[in-house]
Amino acid sequence: AQRVTQPEKLLSVFKGAPVELKCNYSYSGSPELFWYVQYSRQRLQLLLRHISRESIKGFTADLNKGETSFHLKKPFAQEEDSAMYYCALKSAGKSTFGDGTTLTVKP
Amino acid sequence: GAGVSQSPSNKVTEKGKDVELRCDPISGHTALYWYRQSLGQGLEFLIYFQGNSAPDKSGLPSDRFSAERTGGSVSTLTIQRTQQEDSAVYLCASSKGLAGTANTGELFFGEGSRLTVL
Repeated sequence: AQRVTQPEKLLSVFKGAPVELKCNYSYSGSPELFWYVQYSRQRLQLLLRHISRESIKGFTADLNKGETSFHLKKPFAQEEDSAMYYCALKSAGKSTFGDGTTLTVKP
Repeated sequence: GAGVSQSPSNKVTEKGKDVELRCDPISGHTALYWYRQSLGQGLEFLIYFQGNSAPDKSGLPSDRFSAERTGGSVSTLTIQRTQQEDSAVYLCASSKGLAGTANTGELFFGEGSRLTVL
């Protein structure tokens, strides 16, 4: 069975500080991993996916198969990054989400 | 609009009543998902439709919950004999489905239906 774990429910950092949102997964095959974000009063939307190896809004995430992790990182957090972040694993069409991490970036 | 549309946006009902939640996916998307988002909890998978295949119902919490998808498009999630613990935001999402190079695997979400059971 596939499982996604986000160990931190809440994360608070100051503006300009680095931020890392943790995500660990358990899955026996080759996973497709994603980060989704939900800003206040907006719908849940894709932030980035591991297969693209892209940087979106300054965020990056590297898939580490040895540690089964897909942590989301940004070197300098901004106040507009405050949101709920979900890590997701997709297999055979079905997407499993973690419990989410609420990030607050303080001025 | 071109996005996933859900209705009603808010529903308040009395314990024991039945409710129906509707989802209009993005045109051409063959995959449709229902999730439940409860206060302080993550996204709980409920059910997944892919094309004409039998749906994956493994996430439905009880036999009071059911969903159908007519004509491969619109879906309705039905909760019978609602209980207070059913109170949550019910999210629908669609995606392009399994195959094809154009399929990025991205899920497109609706704004959700907030259900309150008194």
